[in-house]
Order: sequence, then structure tokens, then C-alpha cells
Amino acid sequence: EPEVTQTPSHQVTQMGQEVILRCVPISNHLYFYWYRQILGQKVEFLVSFYNNEISEKSEIFDDQFSVERPDGSNFTLKIRSTKLEDSAMYFCASSEDVLDEQFFGPGTRLTVL
Amino acid sequence: KNEVEQSPQNLTAQEGEFITINCSYSVGISALHWLQQHPGGGIVSLFMLSSGKKKHGRLIATINIQEKHSSLHITASHPRDSAVYICAVYSNTGNQFYFGTGTSLTVIP
Repeated sequence: EPEVTQTPSHQVTQMGQEVILRCVPISNHLYFYWYRQILGQKVEFLVSFYNNEISEKSEIFDDQFSVERPDGSNFTLKIRSTKLEDSAMYFCASSEDVLDEQFFGPGTRLTVL
Repeated sequence: KNEVEQSPQNLTAQEGEFITINCSYSVGISALHWLQQHPGGGIVSLFMLSSGKKKHGRLIATINIQEKHSSLHITASHPRDSAVYICAVYSNTGNQFYFGTGTSLTVIP
């Protein structure tokens, strides 16, 4: 069964460093998403991506965040200068259509020291 | 302000019991998702609803658009149903996803 994959599973970084989180969505899906979940808190929407551009983003997704689909398979989230409060689990998801069921990746746990 | 409210926050049930988890939302929506988050953190989509009712195995989800309310029912609950159940809505103004805080379900054998 096709699945969304994410790498790395755990990333530890120093405050101020740049990190890139990687996702491989399901191959025939057209919509891609990033979410984050701070430990003990609810899941929060960051951004949705369609047709090689951002379709929607939340207030959380400020200038330090960017997304890219560098090739036909990867979908990346870059955080330019990490802060302590960026420590969270980051989930990637994909769907065939915006109102379709989303398939989630296993998440990347980001720890900023 | 929470656009999505779930109740109860925590729920403990005996195996075999019928379980209901409720979700109320305050925004206009295009769709509502029920998600299951396992103790290890992984998230699985259970249902996507825009109207009416859907059934999958022992799970049933209903939505009342006029009342801005959805319910997730689990029949004949089993310990493997123990997880956090999350309601999320796709707002039709601003096209944002809003998540509830989740309902933590524990089913005791």
C-alpha cells in the first residue's frame, strides 16, 4: 500500500541553524501539507501546496519557513533560523484533492537546543 | 479562541462499550476530518465528511452542517481502539485547517 515517508525521523539542531525536513508524498497525489504538533499540544496547520506553489498558509508559517518540491517526488520544509519554540513533531501529508482523505507521514521530531 | 471543540477530553471505557466522541466547530466548513493518533504519534485518517454519515467497520461518523456538529461512534470497543481521536475542519473562508485538541480514549479489557 502506498505511504507517505518522512526523513529524518529525529533531527537535533542548535538554535539559529537551518534545517530541512523531507517528505515523499504518495506518487499520484497533487496536494501536499505540512503540520506541526508541539509536545502535548494539538496539531496545527502550517501550509498547503499545489501545482508547485503555496495554496494556503497559516499565521505560524512566517518568513523563516519555506517549502519546495525540488523534484518530482520530494516535498521539503525548510526552517531558516531555528528557535527553541520550533521544537515539535512535523507531519507531512498528501491527498489527491483538497477535500479528499489525507495520508500522513510518520513525522519528524525536531529538537532545537 | 478555538475554532474546533471536542468532548470529552478524556474517555475511559470497558471493552465492548459503545463510544461517542463529539466535535463542534464555529467556522463555515467544506469538509471535516476524523483522525486517529496512535500512542507512538502516527496519524491515520479515519473519515472525511462533508454531509451525512459514513461507516467503516465498527466506526461511524456523522455530521450536521446546520448545527456545526459531528460525532464519531465506535461500536463494540476494543483495547486496540485506545488512541487520541482528533477532529479537524477545512474552513471555507480562508481555506485553513483547524484542529481540535483531541479526545484521549482508553479501552480497558
